[in-house]
Amino acid sequence: GQNIDQPTEMTATEGAIVQINCTYQTSGFNGLFWYQQHAGEAPTFLSYNVLDGLEEKGRFSSFLRRSKGYSYLLLKELQMKDSASYLCAVIGYSTLTFGKGTMLLVSP
Amino acid sequence: DTAVSQTPKYLVTQMGNDKSIKCEQNLGHDTMYWYKQDSKKFLKIMFSYNNKELIINETVPNRFSPKSPDKAHLNLHINSLELGDSAVYFCASSLTNGRGGDTQYFGPGTRLTVL
Repeated sequence: GQNIDQPTEMTATEGAIVQINCTYQTSGFNGLFWYQQHAGEAPTFLSYNVLDGLEEKGRFSSFLRRSKGYSYLLLKELQMKDSASYLCAVIGYSTLTFGKGTMLLVSP
Repeated sequence: DTAVSQTPKYLVTQMGNDKSIKCEQNLGHDTMYWYKQDSKKFLKIMFSYNNKELIINETVPNRFSPKSPDKAHLNLHINSLELGDSAVYFCASSLTNGRGGDTQYFGPGTRLTVL
């Protein structure tokens, strides 16, 4: 089966750094996605990791450690517009499973 | 210019009715998906088609039937709608079958409300 865990909610202030963790237990592993979803909108792609290590893309970075079933999304220089839900999703043998998402609230 | 489009955006209907949601992608992708996002925002895959062939069929009531007339379209037909079917349904597409890490591009969603 597939099980993906992420914190339900996080809060942070503008300009700060926040790390959103994701742990997974899945049948097979072919990669991990992070998506951002603003309220009432469709998810949008942020990052993809298949090998261990850190992938940096502007203010966002994603890290993967396959042996631990662990990933995190790091957001730097937080902006108000970063308030959204962040979804971790894992590709198993034949399917893509999403976590329930972490609602991030950025305050001034 | 819309990459993945869905119609309608909103659908309000009575219990027991039959309804369809249409999805089209103009990205030339081989694989299309349907997801259901419930009131708790949990996004769950329902179906996936690759080149018009069903490759993923999660545990979904057989009242839900996807139809892919060509690889650019994946429509979702729902029979005998129930209150629990109320959710946002997202269509998505990816270049191949997603296992290579292809990004999935999502449509804007269809908010279905069953009364």
